Amino acid sequence: EAAVTQSPRNKVTVTGGNVTLSCRQTNSHNYMYWYRQDTGHGLRLIHYSYGAGNLQIGDVPDGYKATRTTQEDFFLLLELASPSQTSLYFCASSDDRADTQYFGPGTRLLVL
Amino acid sequence: GDSVTQTEGPVTLSEGTSLTVNCSYETKQYPTLFWYVQYPGEGPQLLFKVPKANEKGSNRGFEATYNKEATSFHLQKASVQESDSAVYYCALSDRGSALGRLHFGAGTQLIVIP
Repeated sequence: EAAVTQSPRNKVTVTGGNVTLSCRQTNSHNYMYWYRQDTGHGLRLIHYSYGAGNLQIGDVPDGYKATRTTQEDFFLLLELASPSQTSLYFCASSDDRADTQYFGPGTRLLVL
Repeated sequence: GDSVTQTEGPVTLSEGTSLTVNCSYETKQYPTLFWYVQYPGEGPQLLFKVPKANEKGSNRGFEATYNKEATSFHLQKASVQESDSAVYYCALSDRGSALGRLHFGAGTQLIVIP
């Protein structure tokens, strides 16, 4: 089974702060995804990637950048964090497009 | 575009009663349908998936049938347990795009009272 890890697990920052969320998967999956989870909205796709150097825009990309540096590592960047970005963030990976995604444990972000 | 609509939660049941979580979808493709489960403090995990219309998927006593005519994929369990308390997500794949992705419903929280 795919192993997906995220760091940090919890993060507190202030409005306007700079935050980087990290995700690593160790099963050589090609596809990686960043979601945010909010009550009443479920999982919403922010950005995704099919390989190192590739980036695709999801459904809620405003205020977020992402970078896929290697097959294993996918980062989510919040350069000017706002309170509306307070959320639970999940990373996921999959071997095949549109097939089973394996999720990490999540990062809880609080923007004050 | 593709979308998934599911029963709005929370759904509160007593242990031993039956569960149905409705899931309806819209797509112009021929998707694979998924049910994911998310336990407190964890990320979502696959419960089961069904790639073909008119077939049934099942796991841990849960089951759902891919009904292409009704565009539905309702989750059922005959007798829920307290350990089934979780959030359940219905999702569909999107093989029509070049990259592919899943479209998730809003999730249904299930609370089982002992």
